Amino acid sequence: ETGVTQSPTHLIKTRGQQVTLRCSSQSGHNTVSWYQQALGQGPQFIFQYYREEENGRGNFPPRFSGLQFPNYSSELNVNALELDDSALYLCASSLQGYSPLHFGNGTRLTVT
Amino acid sequence: QKEVEQNSGPLSVPEGAIASLNCTYSDRGSQSFFWYRQYSGKSPELIMSIYSNGDKEDGRFTAQLNKASQYVSLLIRDSQPSDSATYLCAVKDSSNTGKLIFGQGTTLQVKP
Repeated sequence: ETGVTQSPTHLIKTRGQQVTLRCSSQSGHNTVSWYQQALGQGPQFIFQYYREEENGRGNFPPRFSGLQFPNYSSELNVNALELDDSALYLCASSLQGYSPLHFGNGTRLTVT
Repeated sequence: QKEVEQNSGPLSVPEGAIASLNCTYSDRGSQSFFWYRQYSGKSPELIMSIYSNGDKEDGRFTAQLNKASQYVSLLIRDSQPSDSATYLCAVKDSSNTGKLIFGQGTTLQVKP
């Protein structure tokens, strides 16, 4: 049984650019959630997808968007990057209604 | 605004001692509580989950939950230098989205 995998591991972008981060869910899991972790802070919930529909969203602006595919993999898209978007982005998958969450290795995004 | 509070530390203990990490939360409807360990530059790793009042033991780790006081703690017995990490307390939001609310984490240093 494979765990959650994320790509890329590291990414450097320029302010104003757009970025796409990818996540492959653990086998059998139908729900994926994304978190942003700034340096020295705990992870913050961005949104969650269940059966290809967003079913929960944190306090993030619309330039943060996502997709979930029929195979339950997922993408996080961020438009118009800002310096404060520099963070570790974490993906976690689960079976809807069941805890707990196990995270992938994360993508470290640096915006310059 | 639902919150999870942790002392950021650092908490410094000698090798072999008991480390005690504490967390309080504001959402009275929460039913699921988790402790994650995060090494520097890595993603959070789930080490304990607890759902009922009382103690739950797993090896050197004991999680304690008091819902009336809205308090969760983690005890690490026989602390080892390899336990040096940031420990994140997470509470599942009662809104049924599966969202986890994290504290900012407590940094533990175990000195040989």
